Amino acid sequence: SQQGEEDPQALSIQEGENATMNCSYKTSINNLQWYRQNSGRGLVHLILIRSNEREKHSGRLRVTLDTSKKSSSLLITASRAADTASYFCATTTRLNYGNNRLAFGKGNQVVVIP
Amino acid sequence: DTEVTQTPKHLVMGMTNKKSLKCEQHMGHRAMYWYKQKAKKPPELMFVYSYEKLSINESVPSRFSPECPNSSLLNLHLHALQPEDSALYLCASSQDGGPFTDTQYFGPGTRLTVL
Repeated sequence: SQQGEEDPQALSIQEGENATMNCSYKTSINNLQWYRQNSGRGLVHLILIRSNEREKHSGRLRVTLDTSKKSSSLLITASRAADTASYFCATTTRLNYGNNRLAFGKGNQVVVIP
Repeated sequence: DTEVTQTPKHLVMGMTNKKSLKCEQHMGHRAMYWYKQKAKKPPELMFVYSYEKLSINESVPSRFSPECPNSSLLNLHLHALQPEDSALYLCASSQDGGPFTDTQYFGPGTRLTVL
């Protein structure tokens, strides 16, 4: 199964700055999602962008998807200390009705310095 | 209620022990998942249950045995584990797999240590 791959993998920024993370994948997808994980805890879904969408916003989050380049980016604007976390992109491949496989990328560790 | 609960939060077991991890959701989701996550790595899919039937087994060793007693519950039975099985085990659920229902909701995980 394919995996998304994010670049860069570690990012340290000052509070108030914007943080940008990238993700690339290798095969056709149904959609791409971004998840956040605070240290050693469960993942929280942030945003889903479908394969026929190019850009999506949710609050301070902006996600882009370029299916021709098989890449996506996540932008967090006006970062806050609470945004410190690991961020994973995940691609969804549908197997059949009721089944889909979520393949996670390596993740980006973001540290927001107050 | 958009919560997935997992018990226990932490588990320490010996290689000869038998233990179980439990997961519960009350969102009416019909797909449930087990993931394994090692430190500083992404989650890796282990099993998928769809409508209470095992639909995906990602070549997981038989010392891990999943069970879905009903649509709200998912168990992972552990037996004769190895120290390398120590990890964070995450449970997730999603709706019935329709085209716009791929969001997965994760529990907080069980931190497993095998001695």
